[in-house]
Amino acid sequence: NAGVTQTPKFQVLKTGQSMTLQCAQDMNHEYMSWYRQDPGMGLRLIHYSVGAGITDQGEVPNGYNVSRSTTEDFPLRLLSAAPSQTSVYFCASSSLAGVEEGEQFFGPGTRLTVL
Amino acid sequence: AQSVSQHNHHVILSEAASLELGCNYSYGGTVNLFWYVQYPGQHLQLLLKYFSGDPLVKGIKGFEAEFIKSKFSFNLRKPSVQWSDTAEYFCAVKGGAGSYQLTFGKGTKLSVIP
Repeated sequence: NAGVTQTPKFQVLKTGQSMTLQCAQDMNHEYMSWYRQDPGMGLRLIHYSVGAGITDQGEVPNGYNVSRSTTEDFPLRLLSAAPSQTSVYFCASSSLAGVEEGEQFFGPGTRLTVL
Repeated sequence: AQSVSQHNHHVILSEAASLELGCNYSYGGTVNLFWYVQYPGQHLQLLLKYFSGDPLVKGIKGFEAEFIKSKFSFNLRKPSVQWSDTAEYFCAVKGGAGSYQLTFGKGTKLSVIP
């Protein structure tokens, strides 16, 4: 099992550009989520999904879109990048029972810089 | 809305010293509480969790935490730290059954000096 994979590992964007951060898991987990991690701010939930076709907003959804067309993939789209979106982005997945237990599996992260 | 407060931004200890990291939460109902650890350059791992029952929970690597409902606290402790415990520690709270949103504190960076 590869676990949770994220691509790219690093990305530099210019203000106004759009891009998609990829996240995939091979554990057949129903639950997937995106967090951003900023210094001194901890992790903040952007969007999450409890199954294919079902997504919901977290704490900081503005400027981001998600979709869940398959169980395996949960891409995060930045529609028009802003410097405030400079951050490290983590994808996580879990079974629905597992998320109840806090057993989320985190990916390695994508470090995004917006100039 | 739930929130989590971690009192210390950065803690520096010598090896063998005792550790206590504070965590307070705000939530109006049943809560599940967690501590996660992030070692340098790595992603988050679950350290321990509290759901119900004995308010003193034990986790991996000798860590434990005590849930004090009256104080809305879930402090992390370790009797004797090692250099390998150098990491960032995050307290997190989730609502009860059927809730999927995990709210994290801002984190406490622990530096252990050999």
